[in-house]
Amino acid sequence: ETGVTQSPTHLIKTRGQQVTLRCSSQSGHNTVSWYQQALGQGPQFIFQYYREEENGRGNFPPRFSGLQFPNYSSELNVNALELDDSALYLCASSLGVAAGEQYFGPGTRLTVT
Amino acid sequence: DAKTTQPNSMESNEEEPVHLPCNHSTISGTDYIHWYRQLPSQGPEYVIHGLTSNVNNRMASLAIAEDRKSSTLILHRATLRDAAVYYCILRDGGGSQGNLIFGKGTKLSVKP
Repeated sequence: ETGVTQSPTHLIKTRGQQVTLRCSSQSGHNTVSWYQQALGQGPQFIFQYYREEENGRGNFPPRFSGLQFPNYSSELNVNALELDDSALYLCASSLGVAAGEQYFGPGTRLTVT
Repeated sequence: DAKTTQPNSMESNEEEPVHLPCNHSTISGTDYIHWYRQLPSQGPEYVIHGLTSNVNNRMASLAIAEDRKSSTLILHRATLRDAAVYYCILRDGGGSQGNLIFGKGTKLSVKP
């Protein structure tokens, strides 16, 4: 059983650029959630995808967008990067939206300069 | 969403039990109590969850107060690998969204 994987591991971007982060969910999981974790803080929910449809969104602006593909892998896109977007971006997969357990990937560390 | 309150940090000695408390006085009847932990430089890891009854698994035990306004995560024998930030999270079991709302958690240090 393959766990949740994310790519890339680290990324450095310049303010104003766009970035795409990728997540492969655990085998059989149809739900992916994305979180942003600033240094010293707990993860903050960005949005969730269930069977290729957005199923809930946290308090993040529209320049944060996502996709889920038929194989349930997912992308997080961030446009017009700001310095405050520097954070660890985590994805988590689960079997259904109401699942008690979410399985997190190791995250992508994004630095915006 | 109902909030939780946890101590910022706790210390434990290796091979001793650890009791991590969590207060959730505004918990609703459909809220599940979840615990996750985050080891350094890793994503969060599911530990355990429960609704009303105490729960046990290979990692830990979860003791839930009778009025459900507090709970305690119990690590029976702490190891150095248990040093992590532990998050107590309430999630509405009756909702259609599965997002987790993390606080700052409790940073557990384990001394050899």
